Amino acid sequence: GNSVTQMEGPVTLSEEAFLTINCTYTATGYPSLFWYVQYPGEGLQLLLKATKADDKGSNKGFEATYRKETTSFHLEKGSVQVSDSAVYFCALSGTNFGNEKLTFGTGTRLTIIP
Amino acid sequence: NAGVTQTPKFRVLKTGQSMTLLCAQDMNHEYMYWYRQDPGMGLRLIHYSVGEGTTAKGEVPDGYNVSRLKKQNFLLGLESAAPSQTSVYFCASSYSIAEKLFFGSGTQLSVL
Repeated sequence: GNSVTQMEGPVTLSEEAFLTINCTYTATGYPSLFWYVQYPGEGLQLLLKATKADDKGSNKGFEATYRKETTSFHLEKGSVQVSDSAVYFCALSGTNFGNEKLTFGTGTRLTIIP
Repeated sequence: NAGVTQTPKFRVLKTGQSMTLLCAQDMNHEYMYWYRQDPGMGLRLIHYSVGEGTTAKGEVPDGYNVSRLKKQNFLLGLESAAPSQTSVYFCASSYSIAEKLFFGSGTQLSVL
C-alpha cells in the first residue's frame, strides 16, 4: 500500500535560516503529492502540490519538486520567518478506484526563533 | 463561503456514552473524510465516503460508524466511547482523488 515517511521533528531554526524537511514515499501508480501546514489550533491547509514527475510546487516562498527517481518530495524555503512556525505534513493522493484516500506523513513541527 | 464546518468544537464524554460529530461542506464535494490526530501519530483515517450514500473504512475504523445520507453532510458516531478515543477529530472534503483537501477546524474530544 501507499506510505509516506517524513523527517522526524521537532525542528528549530533561527529566523532567515534555510529550511529543508525531507519526505519520501511509496506508492503504486502515479499519485499527486502535497504539503499541508497546520497552524496552532487550526485544521490543515494546503501549502503546495505537484501532480506529476519533475513538477515543482511553490507557495509563500516554499518549494518542493516531485522526484520520481528518488521517490521524494522535500520541502524547502530559503529564508524562514517566525510566522512559518507550524506543523508540516507531507501527503500523497490515492490513485485509482478503491484507493481514494490521501496518505499523510506523521508531521514535522517547525519552530522559528527570532 | 463557509467551507467545511464541524460541530461541536469541544466535547467531554464519560466512558460508555455515545455521541455524533457532524461535518457539513458547502462546496458540492463528492469525497469526505474523517481523521483523528494524536500526538506523534500524525493523521489517521477513520472512515471516508466517495459520494452520497457510500462509506468505506480507513486505517482505524473500530469503535466508529459513519453515515452520508446527504452529499453535504458526513456524520461520525461513537456508540460507546472509550478513553482511547480521546483525540482531535478532523473532517475534510475534496472534489476528487487528486485534488486538495479542505479541512474543518477540528473537534477536541475527551473521554473520561
